[in-house]
Amino acid sequence: DAKTTQPPSMDCAEGRAANLPCNHSTISGNEYVYWYRQIHSQGPQYIIHGLKNNETNEMASLIITEDRKSSTLILPHATLRDTAVYYCIVRVEWSSYGNKLVFGAGTILRVKS
Amino acid sequence: SAVISQKPSRDICQRGTSLTIQCQVDSQVTMMFWYRQQPGQSLTLIATANQGSEATYESGFVIDKFPISRPNLTFSTLTVSNMSPEDSSIYLCSVEDPETNYGYTFGSGTRLTVV
Repeated sequence: DAKTTQPPSMDCAEGRAANLPCNHSTISGNEYVYWYRQIHSQGPQYIIHGLKNNETNEMASLIITEDRKSSTLILPHATLRDTAVYYCIVRVEWSSYGNKLVFGAGTILRVKS
Repeated sequence: SAVISQKPSRDICQRGTSLTIQCQVDSQVTMMFWYRQQPGQSLTLIATANQGSEATYESGFVIDKFPISRPNLTFSTLTVSNMSPEDSSIYLCSVEDPETNYGYTFGSGTRLTVV
């Protein structure tokens, strides 16, 4: 079962910040939060990931609440090319071999001019 | 990061037949994953394949329907057997990618339509 809950869709004006929320209230202490996006007909593209602390890279920022039950992905200056489905994902322990990604339902972000 | 090639990129198949999808990686990886993405839906993990061992299937997926091979550290196949229109989906290969700090790279997928 998916461990994350996301709004099904959001709109954002071009040039403005896009803030995409995600709830993961059942996350365990050693489970990471990942964000990927998928543009139509392509494979998912990595954006950012984190465990406890806020993270920032050249694409986005990830804000994780102190209790780790929710997080927000921030695209600081959305462009039309950021229109995509954004997936909030929990990396869960699979076995002694390693971990696996459990995808949520995703949020369709539409950036409008 | 690792580069993944999936073949075929798309196919249209008759019901009752089988299709084998190939996933080739340009570097050696331990863990490979196969996902299904039904139309308009999110990705669902089918199975995890380690080289030298049998694949581990998620709940709702069985080896008879989705046999997987993992002959070496750069290659895997997924077969969709005895297909029905309900199998029409995008099938994606993913690898745990030690060359990156985030760990997971995806192929571009195989779009399967069963008629």
